[in-house]
Amino acid sequence: ETGVTQSPTHLIKTRGQQVTLRCSSQSGHNTVSWYQQALGQGPQFIFQYYREEENGRGNFPPRFSGLQFPNYSSELNVNALELDDSALYLCASSGNRGLAGAGELFFGEGSRLTVL
Amino acid sequence: DQQVKQNSPSLSVQEGRISILNCDYTNSMFDYFLWYKKYPAEGPTFLISISSIKDKNEDGRFTVFLNKSAKHLSLHIVPSQPGDSAVYFCAAFAQNRDDKIIFGKGTRLHILP
Repeated sequence: ETGVTQSPTHLIKTRGQQVTLRCSSQSGHNTVSWYQQALGQGPQFIFQYYREEENGRGNFPPRFSGLQFPNYSSELNVNALELDDSALYLCASSGNRGLAGAGELFFGEGSRLTVL
Repeated sequence: DQQVKQNSPSLSVQEGRISILNCDYTNSMFDYFLWYKKYPAEGPTFLISISSIKDKNEDGRFTVFLNKSAKHLSLHIVPSQPGDSAVYFCAAFAQNRDDKIIFGKGTRLHILP
C-alpha cells in the first residue's frame, strides 16, 4: 500500500512569486486535505477536495487554491507569496468523504516552504 | 480564536511512568476528538480517537479520557517508552456538520531515561 507522498520536500521562493505543491494520496483514498503548519503551531486546515471538487475551506485567502485530479492526486497553489506563507504544508488523504466516524487522516511528510 | 488548546508546550516524563497530555476545547459542536503524534521530518500519524458518546477509549498503552462538561480531554500513556518522545496534537471536529479538523498547537513529550 503506497502512502501519501509530497513534492518538493523543501523549496525557497521570494515574495510575490507563485508556488505549486504536489501530493499523491494513499491508494484507495478519494479525499485530500491540505494543512499549513507554521513554526510552533498546529496544522491549520486550508481546504479539502473530494472527487475533484472542493468541499470545505478554512480561513485562507483566495490566493490559496487547489486542484484534485481523477487519480485523486492533488496540488496546492499559492499566488503572490508573502513572508508569512513560510511554513510546512501538509497533505492528508482519507478514504471517506469527510471524516464522519473516522477522523483518521494519513499525512505526507510535508513540503517546507521558505519565502524570502 | 483557538478552538482547541494545548496549554503545555512541553512535558518531560521518566521512562516507565505515566505521561498525561491535556487538551481543552471551546466549540460545543465538536463531537469527535483525536490525538496525532508527530516525529521530526515526518507527517503526523493518527494515534487514537474518541466519540463524544464515550468518556474513555483505550488502545494498548494509550487511553483517551473525555470530560464533556469541562470540554476537556486527556491522553494517558502508560508506561511511557523512549519511542513516545514526539509532538502530540489534539484535534477535534463536528461529525456530519463540518469536515474541518481543528488541531491544537501540540505538546512536545520528552521521555527521560
